Amino acid sequence: DAKTTQPPSMDCAEGRAANLPCNHSTISGNEYVYWYRQIHSQGPQYIIHGLKNNETNEMASLIITEDRKSSTLILPHATLRDTAVYYCIVSAETSYDKVIFGPGTSLSVIP
Amino acid sequence: GAVVSQHPSRVICKSGTSVKIECRSLDFQATTMFWYRQFPKQSLMLMATSNEGSKATYEQGVEKDKFLINHASLTLSTLTVTSAHPEDSSFYICSAIPTGAVDNEKLFFGSGTQLSVL
Repeated sequence: DAKTTQPPSMDCAEGRAANLPCNHSTISGNEYVYWYRQIHSQGPQYIIHGLKNNETNEMASLIITEDRKSSTLILPHATLRDTAVYYCIVSAETSYDKVIFGPGTSLSVIP
Repeated sequence: GAVVSQHPSRVICKSGTSVKIECRSLDFQATTMFWYRQFPKQSLMLMATSNEGSKATYEQGVEKDKFLINHASLTLSTLTVTSAHPEDSSFYICSAIPTGAVDNEKLFFGSGTQLSVL
């Protein structure tokens, strides 16, 4: 079973920030928080990952709470192309253990 | 970023025939690849872990004799759906982890194969 829980769906106005929450209360000390997204009928795409510090890249920012039990993915200026299912996953980095996907959050960016 | 090529993107076959899906890492080597299946409006379900040069590890409930996996090189894994039936119709996706030091903390996915069994 997935180790994370996410809201099933969210809406966001185009141009506004999209904040996608994820709970991972049973995360282990060596596990990272990963985010992937899947646009309809395509393979998932890596977005970002982090251990305990906040992370930012060209796609998004990742905010992890101090106790590491939850995190938020932030898309600073959502566009229509960001409409996708977003998956939050916990996994050890460079681990070849299987990665289990939960249901994810279906984000709809509205014009 | 690293590219994973999956082929074919779409295949239609008759019931009882076999279908082979290829997953290639184009610009990196991958000791380990994963195969997923996804039904409409559902999440990805891990089917098996493919390891180069050894037997694949199948998840519980996945028939290894029906879903044959071969990972004969560091850049190619294949999934063969044998004696396909309509209930095997699904979206199949592969993923790979780079074996080297670059990007080895990320999963890279193919674009998926939509299998329709008539």
